[in-house]
Amino acid sequence: QVQVVQSGAEVKKPGASVKVSCRASGYTFTSYYIHWVRQAPGQGLEWMGGINPSDGSTIYAQNFQGRVTMTRDMSTSTVYMELSSLRSEDTAVFYCSRVTDPWGSHYYFDFWGQGTLVTVSS
Amino acid sequence: DIQLTQSPSSLSASVGDRVTITCRASQSISTYLNWYQHKPGKAPKLLIYAASSLQSGVPSRFSGSGSGTDFTLTISSLQPEDFATYYCQQSYRTPWTFGQGTKVEIK
Repeated sequence: QVQVVQSGAEVKKPGASVKVSCRASGYTFTSYYIHWVRQAPGQGLEWMGGINPSDGSTIYAQNFQGRVTMTRDMSTSTVYMELSSLRSEDTAVFYCSRVTDPWGSHYYFDFWGQGTLVTVSS
Repeated sequence: DIQLTQSPSSLSASVGDRVTITCRASQSISTYLNWYQHKPGKAPKLLIYAASSLQSGVPSRFSGSGSGTDFTLTISSLQPEDFATYYCQQSYRTPWTFGQGTKVEIK
């Protein structure tokens, strides 16, 4: 069965970086994009961007351009999201999700990781 | 960016009620609209994709409709496990965006 499992909670100081992992299993890793979504406390869902595991190409939301880097390790079917220059407003739960497009463009998030809480505090 | 506005922002309903949530896009997005259910401490769950297609394993009391700018998620008979926050999301154009959410609470 399809599973997406994320790394555990992190506590970081302002200005530091955090790297969250997302390990996929139960399907062909290179056949589906993996995207990331952020949820700050009491807020809604915010799309951050994603990666094509097949060729490593990425797309990032403008809000995170210059601070986020998404990479993949094909040997372990793992995607990484690194966010740098952390500030207190980055305190949030970060989710990764597999993205499916059955008809070539109707993308949707079908299998989500359990979420990773990143707390930014001095 | 394409803005999605959900209404209402919250609602109180009883078990067995019919519940309707609307999502309006700031421009036409054809049927590139998905719906998710989110409970505290859990991962969001896909309910409906491409405006009206029911995700495998999702109960048939959930349905979606609409195209262009106006979309609806309907729960035909609210069950105790349906109390959650619901989000619409568009994949017509990046940046993909979500509605602000609709919280469904117990009356």
